[in-house]
Amino acid sequence: SAVISQKPSRDICQRGTSLTIQCQVDSQVTMMFWYRQQPGQSLTLIATANQGSEATYESGFVIDKFPISRPNLTFSTLTVSNMSPEDSSIYLCSSLAKNIQYFGAGTRLSVL
Amino acid sequence: QQQVKQSPQSLIVQKGGISIINCAYENTAFDYFPWYQQFPGKGPALLIAIRPDVSEKKEGRFTISFNKSAKQFSLHIMDSQPGDSATYFCAARRAGNMLTFGGGTRLMVKP
Repeated sequence: SAVISQKPSRDICQRGTSLTIQCQVDSQVTMMFWYRQQPGQSLTLIATANQGSEATYESGFVIDKFPISRPNLTFSTLTVSNMSPEDSSIYLCSSLAKNIQYFGAGTRLSVL
Repeated sequence: QQQVKQSPQSLIVQKGGISIINCAYENTAFDYFPWYQQFPGKGPALLIAIRPDVSEKKEGRFTISFNKSAKQFSLHIMDSQPGDSATYFCAARRAGNMLTFGGGTRLMVKP
């Protein structure tokens, strides 16, 4: 299995600012994913982040709004840029280990 | 074609009863179908999964039934317990190890 730590666990931010979410995995993994989950709703894939290559974004998500870094095989960051109240959500990091996706506990973001 | 439809949205079951959650998909390229369990404030955790060449998989009180021709699969929780109260998501895997999730089912097991 893979243990995933996300920071911060929650934050309240002002509109127009940016927040960077960190994701640390306890083992080296090739593939990492970032999801968004509205409270009480399903998970929507934002992007796939493979080490050594540019992140691949799903339809409706763009790099300027959600820049992602993947500097090594155990770490990734997601930045939510120029935030608006519509960005209020839970952001989840996931990693793929032995064909199983493991999830962090998520970052609960509120934008005022 | 990327959608996975899940029902019901919420489910209340008495302790000891059977909880049944259903999912349907359209994309025949999906090659792996996991179920995730999520407790409040936690990330989803893999519960059980099945490949489309298998019609049923059982792990303890949890069983997946898979109907490839109907493009449907379901989760059965036998002898449901209050500790099973959580949100359950079905998912389907497509190329690139990417998961498409169903809408989720909030299960409450009453003592």
